[in-house]
Amino acid sequence: QVQLVESGGGVVQPGRSLRLSCAASGFAFSVYGMHWVRQAPGKRLEWVAVIYHDGSNQHYGDSVRGRFTISRDNSKNTMYLQMNSLRAEDTAVYYCVRDLNSGWHDYWGQGSLVIVSS
Amino acid sequence: EIVLTQSPATLSLSPGERATLSCRASQSVGSSLAWYQQRPGQPPRLLIYDASNRATGIPARFSGSGSGTDFTLTISSLEPEDFAVYYCQQRTNWLLTFGGGTRVEIK
Repeated sequence: QVQLVESGGGVVQPGRSLRLSCAASGFAFSVYGMHWVRQAPGKRLEWVAVIYHDGSNQHYGDSVRGRFTISRDNSKNTMYLQMNSLRAEDTAVYYCVRDLNSGWHDYWGQGSLVIVSS
Repeated sequence: EIVLTQSPATLSLSPGERATLSCRASQSVGSSLAWYQQRPGQPPRLLIYDASNRATGIPARFSGSGSGTDFTLTISSLEPEDFAVYYCQQRTNWLLTFGGGTRVEIK
């Protein structure tokens, strides 16, 4: 069965960096685009970024463009999110999500909590 | 950025009743709209994509309709596990956005 397991979350000071990882199993990882989607406590879902199946292209949401970088290693079935210059408003649960048909999200991980606080 | 507005914010219904949820886009998205269900403490689950296609394993009581700027998610007869928050999402030009959600609660 499809499994997506996020790791790397925690508490970080404003302005610092953090890297999230997502380990995928149960499907042909290299065939699928992958996303990060986040949800601040009690707030709506917010799309963060997508990376194509082969890593050839990426797209970002307006609030993270220029600060966050999405990448993947298909040899390790793993996706990453490098988060730099973190702000309090980046505090959220970050979900690793598999792409369906270029823009839908059919499988979700359980999420990794990132808290940006001094 | 395309803004999605969901209504009502909260829907209070009893098991067995019909639920009708609305999502309105600030500009046309064609049929590029999806619906998700999120139960407390859980990640979202894809219900409907491309406005009216049920995702794998989703019961037939869930149906989606609409195009352009106005969309509807209908749950024909509420089961106890259907009481949750529902979000719509659009995918135009790789600037994906979600609506603010509708909470379906037990009356």
